[in-house]
Amino acid sequence: KAGVTQTPRYLIKTRGQQVTLSCSPISGHRSVSWYQQTPGQGLQFLFEYFSETQRNKGNFPGRFSGRQFSNSRSEMNVSTLELGDSALYLCASSLAAATWGNTEAFFGQGTRLTVV
Amino acid sequence: QQQVKQSPQSLIVQKGGISIINCAYENTAFDYFPWYQQFPGKGPALLIAIRPDVSEKKEGRFTISFNKSAKQFSLHIMDSQPGDSATYFCAARENTGNQFYFGTGTSLTVIP
Repeated sequence: KAGVTQTPRYLIKTRGQQVTLSCSPISGHRSVSWYQQTPGQGLQFLFEYFSETQRNKGNFPGRFSGRQFSNSRSEMNVSTLELGDSALYLCASSLAAATWGNTEAFFGQGTRLTVV
Repeated sequence: QQQVKQSPQSLIVQKGGISIINCAYENTAFDYFPWYQQFPGKGPALLIAIRPDVSEKKEGRFTISFNKSAKQFSLHIMDSQPGDSATYFCAARENTGNQFYFGTGTSLTVIP
């Protein structure tokens, strides 16, 4: 069974540009969450999508957005990039909603974004 | 505000020793507590997880101890090996969604 696939693995962008990251969850998983990981702030929740609907959102500015497609694949977009957006962006895949036995979250390898 | 507090920040253990990492929380709505292991350049990998109705869960050399009244849980790695050298994160999830709150991580080094 394939794991969570994130593309691209590495990105270098210039301040002011925008970027789109992609995540393909484990087959059959319908929930996709995005996290930002930095040395200073650790792992911080960005948002979660379930059945193409954003179900939960973390405390990030509106420059960070996402969407989910009917095949559960998800994309995350960051507009007007800032130097502080440099981070490892991780996608987590879960089977379903927060019900008993469906709570395991599996992470992809992440996309390393560097803003220069 | 850090919802899950993790300690220590770093840990050095001799091969064969026991590694212990502790986490504490306040939010009583948390109902699922996983531990993740992360190697450099990789995403976090689910190691072991526990629910608050269980006080201990063991999987191989890894054990979670859970104290619901104290709102604390810990990871014990028995017979620690150099290959266990990684960063470990505790996490907690509310019973209302799939958002995880992570601890700040513990860098474990196991000396041969």
